[in-house]
Amino acid sequence: QVQLQESGPGQVKPSETLSLTCTVSGASIRSFYWSWIRQSPEKGLEWIGYFHSSGTTIYNPSLNNRVTISKDMSKNQFSLNLSSVTAADTAVYYCARNELGISEYWGPGTLVTVSS
Amino acid sequence: DIQMTQSPSSLSASVGDRVTITCRASQYISHSLAWYQQKPGKAPNLLLHDASTLESGVPSRFSGSGFGTEHTLTISSLQPEDFATYYCQQYYNTPYTFGQGTKLEIK
Repeated sequence: QVQLQESGPGQVKPSETLSLTCTVSGASIRSFYWSWIRQSPEKGLEWIGYFHSSGTTIYNPSLNNRVTISKDMSKNQFSLNLSSVTAADTAVYYCARNELGISEYWGPGTLVTVSS
Repeated sequence: DIQMTQSPSSLSASVGDRVTITCRASQYISHSLAWYQQKPGKAPNLLLHDASTLESGVPSRFSGSGFGTEHTLTISSLQPEDFATYYCQQYYNTPYTFGQGTKLEIK
């Protein structure tokens, strides 16, 4: 049974970097594609990017090069860094396992609020 | 980016009704379309992919159709647990994009 769990601070100050980690159980991040997706009332569901263990990483250009997705194979975790955050980055952040672009398994999500 | 437009944005229906939700893509996406159901406070749950392939465990009252730019999700006979918000998503091109959602409410 594949399970994902997001973790990280629930509040980030404007202009700082948002950092989240996704811990995966029941599957290895050495296979499949692994994504970050966020959801806000203003923008709805927004795909942030994905990585594959082969080295392929693709980000949503709308995030203007502020995104980095990294992985720790030894811990079966992957992470999201989003720099220079503003209030517009306030959202529920989800990690998910992808197969050909389809998000089959999702974490429960974590709310991140950008506020001073 | 490919824009996904769902209609209607909200829908009131009764248990037992047949409902259809439409998703239009701003350009050709073949059958590269998924449908998700989301309940309040929960992550989206995948219902169908490739426009019409039902996920394991999803009731057969859910069906999808479409190709190209126009796609539909149909629920043949609404059950109480089906009242939720539904999203389409294209995966023909990155960035993957979602529709704005259709909120299905009890009449």
